[in-house]
Amino acid sequence: GQSLEQPSEVTAVEGAIVQINCTYQTSGFYGLSWYQQHDGGAPTFLSYNALDGLEETGRFSSFLSRSDSYGYLLLQELQMKDSASYFCAVKGDAGNMLTFGGGTRLMVKP
Amino acid sequence: ETGVTQTPRHLVMGMTNKKSLKCEQHLGHNAMYWYKQSAKKPLELMFVYNFKEQTENNSVPSRFSPECPNSSHLFLHLHTLQPEDSALYLCASSQGGTSGGHNEQFFGPGTRLTVL
Repeated sequence: GQSLEQPSEVTAVEGAIVQINCTYQTSGFYGLSWYQQHDGGAPTFLSYNALDGLEETGRFSSFLSRSDSYGYLLLQELQMKDSASYFCAVKGDAGNMLTFGGGTRLMVKP
Repeated sequence: ETGVTQTPRHLVMGMTNKKSLKCEQHLGHNAMYWYKQSAKKPLELMFVYNFKEQTENNSVPSRFSPECPNSSHLFLHLHTLQPEDSALYLCASSQGGTSGGHNEQFFGPGTRLTVL
């Protein structure tokens, strides 16, 4: 089977840095994705890591360690609009399927 | 219209009703997906269609019946649902194929379904 673990909630203040961790156990692994979902909205793609290391896209960065079956999403210079749920998802085979984690609800406070 | 659209946005139905959810994508993608999102649970993949062929059925009860008439449209037919089927049903699309590469999924806004 496939399983992904991430914290259910994280709280941080505006301007701070927050890291959302994701550990996974999957029968196959091609890459780790991150998606953002605001309340009442659709999930939107943030990043994808297929290889070990850090990928940076503006204020958001994503890290992967395949040997540790672990990744994280790093959000810098937090803004109120970053309050949302963040999901990690594993691409476990050559096809199109993604297995999602339970999501981390990030609350950014003033 | 752009992106992925879903209708209706909200649906209330009784356990004996039959209804259908519709999804349409305007992105030229070849893969489409149905997900179920319940409170405090991970997004659950239900069905995958790749080039109009169903490639995944994630042990979904037969009271959910998908239909993909072409690469741009996806339906989810519902009949004799249970109250525990109440959830947000999300449609997504992506580039198709099995090359192993990354295919970002684009999600629709979802249909909020309540089964009474």
